[in-house]
Amino acid sequence: KAGVTQTPRYLIKTRGQQVTLSCSPISGHRSVSWYQQTPGQGLQFLFEYFSETQRNKGNFPGRFSGRQFSNSRSEMNVSTLELGDSALYLCASGTLAGNYEQYFGPGTRLTVT
Amino acid sequence: KQEVTQIPAALSVPEGENLVLNCSFTDSAIYNLQWFRQDPGKGLTSLLLIQSSQREQTSGRLNASLDKSSGRSTLYIAASQPGDSATYLCAVREDTGTASKLTFGTGTRLQVTL
Repeated sequence: KAGVTQTPRYLIKTRGQQVTLSCSPISGHRSVSWYQQTPGQGLQFLFEYFSETQRNKGNFPGRFSGRQFSNSRSEMNVSTLELGDSALYLCASGTLAGNYEQYFGPGTRLTVT
Repeated sequence: KQEVTQIPAALSVPEGENLVLNCSFTDSAIYNLQWFRQDPGKGLTSLLLIQSSQREQTSGRLNASLDKSSGRSTLYIAASQPGDSATYLCAVREDTGTASKLTFGTGTRLQVTL
């Protein structure tokens, strides 16, 4: 079974631009979560989607948004990029049944200059 | 607010040594605890998941224990190898229905030397 895939793997953007990251979950998984990882703050929860609905949201500004499609693929968007948005963005998929184990993708490295 | 702490922050051991990584959390109302491994610049690989009702889980040379009442978990690595060098992260999932997120510790960076 294929793992979680994220595209693109690397991205360089300029301050003020916007960016869209994509995540394809493991087949059969309907829950997708996004996390931001930085050296200073570690791993922080952004939001979770299940069946196209946002179930939970972390403490991030409204510039960070996401959505989920009917095939469970998810995208997150960051508008008006700031230098501090430079980070590794990780997507995780799982089920909301059983043991709730989360499986992570390889991440998208975003650099804002 | 759940807080997860991992000690030590970094650890260097010679190959073959057994070692223990520690994780503590402040709110014992957890659904499960998951240990991950992260290689530099890579995503997270799930190592072990312990449900709140379980005391331990084993996979190969890895054994994770959970003491929910005291808010502690340990990851035991037997006969360490250079390939075990990575950052190890623990994460807890809270048991509040809608709080379906993982709260991560800051990790332990492990280096196994030849």
